[in-house]
Parts: sequence; C-alpha cells; structure tokens
Amino acid sequence: NAGVMQNPRHLVRRRGQEARLRCSPMKGHSHVYWYRQLPEEGLKFMVYLQKENIIDESGMPKERFSAEFPKEGPSILRIQQVVRGDSAAYFCASSSPGNTYEQYFGPGTRLTVT
Amino acid sequence: GEDVEQSLFLSVREGDSSVINCTYTDSSSTYLYWYKQEPGAGLQLLTYIFSNMDMKQDQRLTVLLNKKDKHLSLRIADTQTGDSAIYFCAVAGNKLTFGGGTRVLVKP
Repeated sequence: NAGVMQNPRHLVRRRGQEARLRCSPMKGHSHVYWYRQLPEEGLKFMVYLQKENIIDESGMPKERFSAEFPKEGPSILRIQQVVRGDSAAYFCASSSPGNTYEQYFGPGTRLTVT
Repeated sequence: GEDVEQSLFLSVREGDSSVINCTYTDSSSTYLYWYKQEPGAGLQLLTYIFSNMDMKQDQRLTVLLNKKDKHLSLRIADTQTGDSAIYFCAVAGNKLTFGGGTRVLVKP
C-alpha cells in the first residue's frame, strides 16, 4: 500500500523559471494538502484541495502560486517566475473523506532556486 | 490566527525519558498531533489526541493534554538513538497549524 508520493524529490530552478511539484495521494484518499517548510522552520499550510475543487487556499501567496487536483492524475503545485525566497521543502499530505483529521505526509520536494 | 509554540531543542541520554512540550492558542482545536521528522525526510504521524481526552498512551509514547492551559506534551519512554529527530506539534481547527519543531538529540 503505497504512501503519499511526491516528485521530484529535488528540484533546482533558476530565478524566473517555473516549478511544478507533483503529489499522488495515498490510495483511497481524495483530499490533498500542500505545506511549505522554510529552512529551520515548521510547516505552513498553503492549500487544501479535493478532486477538481479548491477548498481552502488561505495560505497561498497571492501571486505566482497555483494548485490543482484534477479528476485524473496527481495534484500539482505550480510556482511561476520563481525567486530565491521560494527555496523550501514543499510537502503534500492526503487524507480520506471520512478521516480528514488523519493527514499522511509525502517525503517532500526540496526546491532550490539559484 | 492560531499560534503554536515549542521549545527549540532537547538533549536527553539514551534510556531516559524525553518530554517535549507545546502550547497553542486556539481553544476550539479539535485534534492535536505529534509528528516526527528525520533529516531529509517527510513527516511521520506519531500519534494524535482528540480534544475531549486528557491522555493517550501508545507503546513508548504518552500524550498529555491540558485544555485549560492549552498545553500538549509528548513523553517518550526509554529514549533510543533512533528517536533523534525533529518533533512537531500540530493542532487542527479547519486546517493543521504546526509549531516550529523541537530538535531532540539522544546521547548514548
């Protein structure tokens, strides 16, 4: 029973490029959450999605960041025109519809902007 | 918004008990969690407690919740070197809010 999958595990982008981070939830989970962890800090909530629906995006920066969770395929967190301050670990978590209080985390994508 | 605070660092000898503390501000939090993060890895859900409970025990782990003081603790009995990691407390209202993490170093 595979856990939450994220890819790539490491991503290097130059300033101004786009970063696409993918998350495949655990089998049977239809709720996905994205968090960002800056160096030496805790995780900060970004966005909560269900299939084809954004439930809560109160933690998303207003510009350059977007997220989707299509009917088919993984959830995508997209960062356009990356800047050095976007360098962080981005974690995805998933939960099942009946147990939204149990979130299981993926291994994270470490984004480095050069 | 919700604020969750943890001490930064804890050093403990192998075989001793570790106690990691966490305080939070939102009294409407329904679930409170402890996660473990090893270097370069994701977060592992260790345990969680519902807000109507005072204590939960799971093998070497004991979670204590003091709702009046909004204080949550995690006790690890017989701490092992493999317990060295960063431990995050998180509370759930509408979404998970994490503390900054406590780095636990277990010395042999």
